[in-house]
Amino acid sequence: GQNIDQPTEMTATEGAIVQINCTYQTSGFNGLFWYQQHAGEAPTFLSYNVLDGLEEKGRFSSFLSRSKGYSYLLLKELQMKDSASYLCAPRPINSGGYNKLIFGAGTRLAVHP
Amino acid sequence: DGGITQSPKYLFRKEGQNVTLSCEQNLNHDAMYWYRQDPGQGLRLIYYSQIVNDFQKGDIAEGYSVSREKKESFPLTVTSAQKNPTAFYLCASSPRPGLAGGFSYEQYFGPGTRLTVT
Repeated sequence: GQNIDQPTEMTATEGAIVQINCTYQTSGFNGLFWYQQHAGEAPTFLSYNVLDGLEEKGRFSSFLSRSKGYSYLLLKELQMKDSASYLCAPRPINSGGYNKLIFGAGTRLAVHP
Repeated sequence: DGGITQSPKYLFRKEGQNVTLSCEQNLNHDAMYWYRQDPGQGLRLIYYSQIVNDFQKGDIAEGYSVSREKKESFPLTVTSAQKNPTAFYLCASSPRPGLAGGFSYEQYFGPGTRLTVT
C-alpha cells in the first residue's frame, strides 16, 4: 500500500518548537520530500531526505528512518508566518526516474501568539 | 524571472463544458505534472510528461486530457466526462534527474487554478 499518515491539525505557540510526524507504507522508495503550503497557494519545497538521519536547514529540520517508514519535520522558533499546511511526500522507487511523488493530506499548523 | 505560471487563477464553467487550464514554465525543465487538490486531501497526480510529445497517465486521469507540444507548455483539459471537476489544480515541473546538480528532484509548483463547475 501507499498510505501516508500525518496528523490533520496541530497548534503551537510563537517561538516554540513543533514536530510534525509522517508515517507511510510503500513497497519501496528512494527519498522523502516535505513541502509547505499556505492556504490557497502553491506548495513550496522545504526539504528532501534520501538517506536516514537528520537534515538541518535553518529553523527547519527533517528526519528520515527508511526502515521504520517514518519521517518528521521539526520547526524551531516558530513564527506566525509558519501557519500553513505541511505535506509529506515519499518518492517511490517505481517513479521511473522522475518525480512521481505521493502526497499525504498534509498537516495544518496554526501558530498562535 | 524564472518560474511557472498558471492562468487564470479562478475559473468558472457550466457543467458539460470542456475547459483548458494553461501551464507555462521558463525553467527549462523536462518534466511537467498536473495535480488535483481537494479539501482535506493530498495532491493527486492526474498526468505527467517527461519530455516533449510524451505524457503518461497518473492516478486519476479519467476525464482529463493533456498535450505536450512544447517544452514550456503543458495544458490540461478538463472534459465533460470528469464527474467531479470542481477542485484546485496545480501544475509543477522538475529538471531531468542527473542534471539537477544534486540528489534533489524537487518539483516547482505554479500558483494554481481554482476551477468551479456548476
